Amino acid sequence: EPEVTQTPSHQVTQMGQEVILRCVPISNHLYFYWYRQILGQKVEFLVSFYNNEISEKSEIFDDQFSVERPDGSNFTLKIRSTKLEDSAMYFCASLRRRHSDYNEQFFGPGTRLTVL
Amino acid sequence: SQQGEEDPQALSIQEGENATMNCSYKTSINNLQWYRQNSGRGLVHLILIRSNEREKHSGRLRVTLDTSKKSSSLLITASRAADTASYFCARHGSSNTGKLIFGQGTTLQVKP
Repeated sequence: EPEVTQTPSHQVTQMGQEVILRCVPISNHLYFYWYRQILGQKVEFLVSFYNNEISEKSEIFDDQFSVERPDGSNFTLKIRSTKLEDSAMYFCASLRRRHSDYNEQFFGPGTRLTVL
Repeated sequence: SQQGEEDPQALSIQEGENATMNCSYKTSINNLQWYRQNSGRGLVHLILIRSNEREKHSGRLRVTLDTSKKSSSLLITASRAADTASYFCARHGSSNTGKLIFGQGTTLQVKP
């Protein structure tokens, strides 16, 4: 069964460093998302991406964040200068199409980001 | 807030018992989805119920939706220790980008 994959599973970085979180969505999916979950809290939407551009972003997704789909398979989230409060689990998700009857989003296993 | 609210926040039951989790929301929906998250892991889609459906079953899962009360419930029957996880309801945001807005979740512990 196709699945969303994410690498690395755990990333430890120093405050102020840049990190890139990588995701490989399901191959025939068209809509891509990043969410984050701070430990013990709910899952929060960060950004949605369609047709090679951001379709929506949340207040959390400030100028320090960017997303890219550099080729036909990868979808990346970059944090330019990490802060302590960026420590969280980051989930990538993909969706085949929005207007189908069954619009389940498929989530990756997540990347745990720890900023020291 | 537009986000869903789940109750209870935490639930502890014995294996074999039924577990019921509730979710409320404040805006109109096209559908409501339920996800499970094992500790420290990703989200697994369980079931989707459309706004014109009142009840849906999938194995030991039963989901109900009351759009007049803007609430949904997830029932797990004959629970097992492996059902121990957090359960979240989620709805789509109003912006039509497909983003999901998650509730706070219910942490379920099933004791063997």
